[in-house]
Amino acid sequence: EDQVTQSPEALRLQEGESSSLNCSYTVSGLRGLFWYRQDPGKGPEFLFTLYSAGEEKEKERLKATLTKKESFLHITAPKPEDSATYLCAVRISGGYQKVTFGIGTKLQVIP
Amino acid sequence: GAVVSQHPSRVICKSGTSVKIECRSLDFQATTMFWYRQFPKQSLMLMATSNEGSKATYEQGVEKDKFLINHASLTLSTLTVTSAHPEDSSFYICSAQKTGLPGELFFGEGSRLTVL
Repeated sequence: EDQVTQSPEALRLQEGESSSLNCSYTVSGLRGLFWYRQDPGKGPEFLFTLYSAGEEKEKERLKATLTKKESFLHITAPKPEDSATYLCAVRISGGYQKVTFGIGTKLQVIP
Repeated sequence: GAVVSQHPSRVICKSGTSVKIECRSLDFQATTMFWYRQFPKQSLMLMATSNEGSKATYEQGVEKDKFLINHASLTLSTLTVTSAHPEDSSFYICSAQKTGLPGELFFGEGSRLTVL
């Protein structure tokens, strides 16, 4: 069964304290791995798409990387406004458009 | 841009009534839209895939007669929760997919449904 596991479930950082969020997946035929940010009571906001191992994407303080088994979302010198839940999702091959989401990592950045 | 608008953001209704939630892609055409349900501290659960001009594809365990989905145009999909009950109370989120970018989903703001 295809699975997406995110860790940790929650992370508390001091402002400026860099860290990484993990998304591990066991799927048959990855067609794309996606990172989203979700604020409380809001819909997810698209951040990155990664398609192949070794690929990296950056946006401001965020950098996403991908291996054959997992993806990392690195947060460099986070600010309080980076506090949110970060969701990882995967799309698998087979012609079906379904995207499966992980449970997310709730990040809190303290001033 | 890729803006998806969802309405209403909050709705409270009495048990037994029906509620309609709209999802619109404002600046792009979406042949495919998705409806998700999210419970507290849980991941987004795909309910159904909505394709313009055809019947929706429901995930296993989702009652198609209870959650009616209509995708009548390239910019609008609706979810109607029929005969709502308290257990249907949840956060419903729609998303739309740009043609040629499968998997890059753009989400609406979500709709919080409370059934009394």
